[in-house]
Formats: sequence, structure tokens, C-alpha cells
Amino acid sequence: DTGVSQDPRHKITKRGQNVTFRCDPISEHNRLYWYRQTLGQGPEFLTYFQNEAQLEKSRLLSDRFSAERPKGSFSTLEIQRTEQGDSAMYLCATSGVGSTDTQYFGPGTRLTVL
Amino acid sequence: QKEVEQNSGPLSVPEGAIASLNCTYSDRGSQSFFWYRQYSGKSPELIMFIYSNGDKEDGRFTAQLNKASQYVSLLIRDSQPSDSATYLCAVDMDTGRRALTFGSGTRLQVQP
Repeated sequence: DTGVSQDPRHKITKRGQNVTFRCDPISEHNRLYWYRQTLGQGPEFLTYFQNEAQLEKSRLLSDRFSAERPKGSFSTLEIQRTEQGDSAMYLCATSGVGSTDTQYFGPGTRLTVL
Repeated sequence: QKEVEQNSGPLSVPEGAIASLNCTYSDRGSQSFFWYRQYSGKSPELIMFIYSNGDKEDGRFTAQLNKASQYVSLLIRDSQPSDSATYLCAVDMDTGRRALTFGSGTRLQVQP
């Protein structure tokens, strides 16, 4: 257990529904990342926060995706109007201040869109 | 060309042998390199990181970095069946981004 928690661990939804995932970081970590991983692939970067500021967004993050990190603590990732192609494991990782930027992953949320 | 490349495997080794996992990356300016282990259905777990050319040892694991050849490897000595997993190489590409770029992973099977 890295100390990064994610909720829910599994989500099954129907196409067109909205879903929201939550990530709680290691308390002293100010950087938070969202990645998406599909079967047989490595994690792909979606977005990055330093404290409450969203500093990077991947081009993978379409307009249907939005992420927030109010007050620089937990973060949420919302997917609107889900599509079957959104089915994946959504991973949150956090890291502390410093040049090493070693990222520790939470357990992930597995999304299945029917 | 993928930015971080790994042989997908499976790499099969007998118990007690040395497993050698390899990774190449495209960005010559990359500074930080990470190996993660991922069991089926689980999230990636950090094994080691390396920043400097040469070898870095931690228990049964040794990471090797050659920046001139843009090559990083992970050696697992005395492989155990519990080491059977997918090993992901991740690189902090020199693009000004903080996100890691991952390879697709190498699946390791340790035969008892």
C-alpha cells in the first residue's frame, strides 16, 4: 500500500452516463497525476496538478474529461457522456517536492462502459 | 517510433536464474528512469529508479543505465515465481513535462 487511495475501485456504467473518480494522495505530496491504462499497454498520461493548479493536460484528455484538485488535496476525474473506448484502468499517482519526482500509484479505478 | 520501447515477452526463466529486462528510449535528454512491477489486475509498484550512468543495486534487483546508448535495463537475480509479473520501464522525458512516459511492459514468467 503506497498511501495513495482511489475510489471507487470498480465502476460499470452504460454508454452516455457520466462518471467521477476520486484520488486521495499521500498527505505530504503536492504533485498529482492521472494516467489511463488499457490492456497490454503502459499507463498513458492524462493530466498533472501541482497543488491546486492543473499544469498539464494531454491531448488524450478530450473535452469530455475534466479534472479538479480543490485546495490541493484530493482530486477528481470526471468523464462525461462515456463511450465504450473509455473502458480502461484509471490510475492516480502522486509525488513530493524535489527533483526526483518519484511517482507512487494508487490501486486504480477500473471502468467498464457497456 | 515509440518513445519508450520494451520487448513485450513473455520472458521465461527458471526459478533461481537471472532475468534481464531491457528498455530503450528516444529522448537523449532524459534524466530519470524508473522500473515498475505490475501484477495482473493491479496498479504499478515502484521497484527502482536510476539517474546516473552505471549500475544501481537494491537487494536482488540491479538497474543499469547507459545514456550514450539510450538504454536502461533491470536484472533480477535468484528469480522467484513471485517475480512473475509485467515490468514497466518509465522515463522522465526531457520535454519539460513532469509526466512519465511508459513502455508497454515486458511480461516475465518464472518457472518453478
